[in-house]
Amino acid sequence: GAVVSQHPSRVICKSGTSVKIECRSLDFQATTMFWYRQFPKQSLMLMATSNEGSKATYEQGVEKDKFLINHASLTLSTLTVTSAHPEDSSFYICSASGTGSLTPQHFGDGTRLSIL
Amino acid sequence: SQQGEEDPQALSIQEGENATMNCSYKTSINNLQWYRQNSGRGLVHLILIRSNEREKHSGRLRVTLDTSKKSSSLLITASRAADTASYFCATDRDSNYQLIWGAGTKLIIKP
Repeated sequence: GAVVSQHPSRVICKSGTSVKIECRSLDFQATTMFWYRQFPKQSLMLMATSNEGSKATYEQGVEKDKFLINHASLTLSTLTVTSAHPEDSSFYICSASGTGSLTPQHFGDGTRLSIL
Repeated sequence: SQQGEEDPQALSIQEGENATMNCSYKTSINNLQWYRQNSGRGLVHLILIRSNEREKHSGRLRVTLDTSKKSSSLLITASRAADTASYFCATDRDSNYQLIWGAGTKLIIKP
C-alpha cells in the first residue's frame, strides 16, 4: 500500500517553457504533500509543504511565483515550474503523508528536469 | 534546512558483511526515520523509531537511538548487492509533519 505516482519521470525542454509535474497518492488520502529538490549527490531540500485546499507554505528562498503548487484534492498535488531556465534543472521529488505524526512520508519516483 | 549529519558519507563493503551508518541531529525530536534511495529514484521508508525507543528491528535492519547523544545508527546485516543505495535519516521538524534530512550515506555493496 501507500503508493505515490509522480509524472512525468523525465522532462527535457527549452528555456522559457513552463513545466507541470503531478504527484498522486493512489491508495490513500494525502493530507499533506511535500515538494523537494535534490541536487546531484546531495540530500533533499524541502521546497514547499502543501495541504489540501489551502495555499502552500514555501521554504525560505523558494520563489512561490516561480514554483506554483496546487493541492486541489486529497490525492493530487501539482508543481509548475514557470518560465524554466537552465538553473532550474534538477531532480524534483514529491512525497505524501497521511495524518498523524508517526506516519512516514511516501515518495514518488521523482522527475528529472533538464532545461536546455 | 538540514540538521542531520550522517557518517560515513560513503561506505563500500563486501557482500555478506554488515554495514553501519550513523546519524546525528541537533534539536529534540519526537521520532527519527531512515529512508533508502536507489540512484535516480524516490525514497523508500525503512523504519521509524520513536524518541522513547532505544532499538528497533525490521528484517536485516537494526536501528538504535540515543537521545542523550542525539544520534542514531542503522545496521544492515548480511549485506547484499541489492542494498546498494543512499541511506538518509530524517527527524520530525514540527507539527506540520515536515522532516529534516541528513546528508545521506552512499552505500556500495561489492559482489
